[in-house]
Amino acid sequence: RKEVEQDPGPFNVPEGATVAFNCTYSNSASQSFFWYRQDCRKEPKLLMSVYSSGNEDGRFTAQLNRASQYISLLIRDSKLSDSATYLCVVNTGNQFYFGTGTSLTVIP
Amino acid sequence: NAGVTQTPKFQVLKTGQSMTLQCAQDMNHEYMSWYRQDPGMGLRLIHYSVGAGITDQGEVPNGYNVSRSTTEDFPLRLLSAAPSQTSVYFCASSYSNGNKETQYFGPGTRLLVL
Repeated sequence: RKEVEQDPGPFNVPEGATVAFNCTYSNSASQSFFWYRQDCRKEPKLLMSVYSSGNEDGRFTAQLNRASQYISLLIRDSKLSDSATYLCVVNTGNQFYFGTGTSLTVIP
Repeated sequence: NAGVTQTPKFQVLKTGQSMTLQCAQDMNHEYMSWYRQDPGMGLRLIHYSVGAGITDQGEVPNGYNVSRSTTEDFPLRLLSAAPSQTSVYFCASSYSNGNKETQYFGPGTRLLVL
């Protein structure tokens, strides 16, 4: 079983739409959680960390449910520039595990 | 700061050849790691290091060696390249392996093994 599982998409949404991505992880001892963004043929970059209380950064909201081992990312008012692949990442101490990524295309 | 740098950007090898992928960071980060990214597989950890002189295996270490003689450098060696090692390789660093640590990635090395 994979450590981190994500729906690969693709998600094609119109500008201004709200879109949600989900992710599950298998190791209940996981310590920290992140969403990274990766543009085509580029390196991943941190979008936001995910805290148990939930956290928001502008149009982006991340949620963590430790009991269900579930992480989510909500993007409101989608922009063309949000088109990218979104990677769910889990840290279990010394190792980071990445999901395969969810592809988002925002359409004009 | 240059951040995390990787060389080369692209490389073509023949089966059985050896090579070293270079990675350097100028942020004084203790933790460094190497990943490979393949279609449909996501990023998978090859090796990591929590400080100079200390390395350990990740999820897919076979066929790769690493060393960490300085804080700044973390080279990845392919001893005898195989077509299955065709991939995009990313090096990353962070202050530590602890909670909520941001990993900074290099631009990647695209490797083709014929």
